[in-house]
Amino acid sequence: EDKVVQSPLSLVVHEGDTVTLNCSYEVTNFRSLLWYKQEKKAPTFLFMLTSSGIEKKSGRLSSILDKKELSSILNITATQTGDSAIYLCAGGLNYGGSQGNLIFGKGTKLSVKP
Amino acid sequence: NAGVTQTPKFQVLKTGQSMTLQCAQDMNHEYMSWYRQDPGMGLRLIHYSVGAGITDQGEVPNGYNVSRSTTEDFPLRLLSAAPSQTSVYFCASSYGLTNEKLFFGSGTQLSVL
Repeated sequence: EDKVVQSPLSLVVHEGDTVTLNCSYEVTNFRSLLWYKQEKKAPTFLFMLTSSGIEKKSGRLSSILDKKELSSILNITATQTGDSAIYLCAGGLNYGGSQGNLIFGKGTKLSVKP
Repeated sequence: NAGVTQTPKFQVLKTGQSMTLQCAQDMNHEYMSWYRQDPGMGLRLIHYSVGAGITDQGEVPNGYNVSRSTTEDFPLRLLSAAPSQTSVYFCASSYGLTNEKLFFGSGTQLSVL
């Protein structure tokens, strides 16, 4: 059964800290690994990692895909209160079926304290 | 830039009532999908569509119905609401089944009493 597992499920840090969020996947016909940020409403896209792009960076956020270990990490440096959100990891599938084209993990809830 | 538009934002139903959640996108996306999000459960796929006239079941389809008569619209129908369907519902779309970058609507918070 395909699955995506995120850890930790929740995390509390203080402003300025650096955090690492983890994602492991067991996905048949794996295509890609995506990260989303969800604040109060809809998830918003952060990164997509594939075989041709295993490392992405945007400002204080960066992500790496380890295809050998079937895992990915999302790093946030110099955290700010605005980084408080649920971070979702998703595995992109090469086919449809009951998972559609993405299978999501349960998310990591990050709280950044002033 | 409307993107993916969902209505209503909030809804309260009584057990047994039916209703339709609306979803429309203006990006000419072929792939559209409905998810529900429950605490501790993550996003679970209800139904999806790879184009007008084509729909398929996701992980948790029971109690829900969909149709796709146009590229733009993908309504989700609750046939006879149950308290277990209390959840936040998201519509999402992408260019195609093989394009995994989903764009999400703002969600509908549904309570079934």
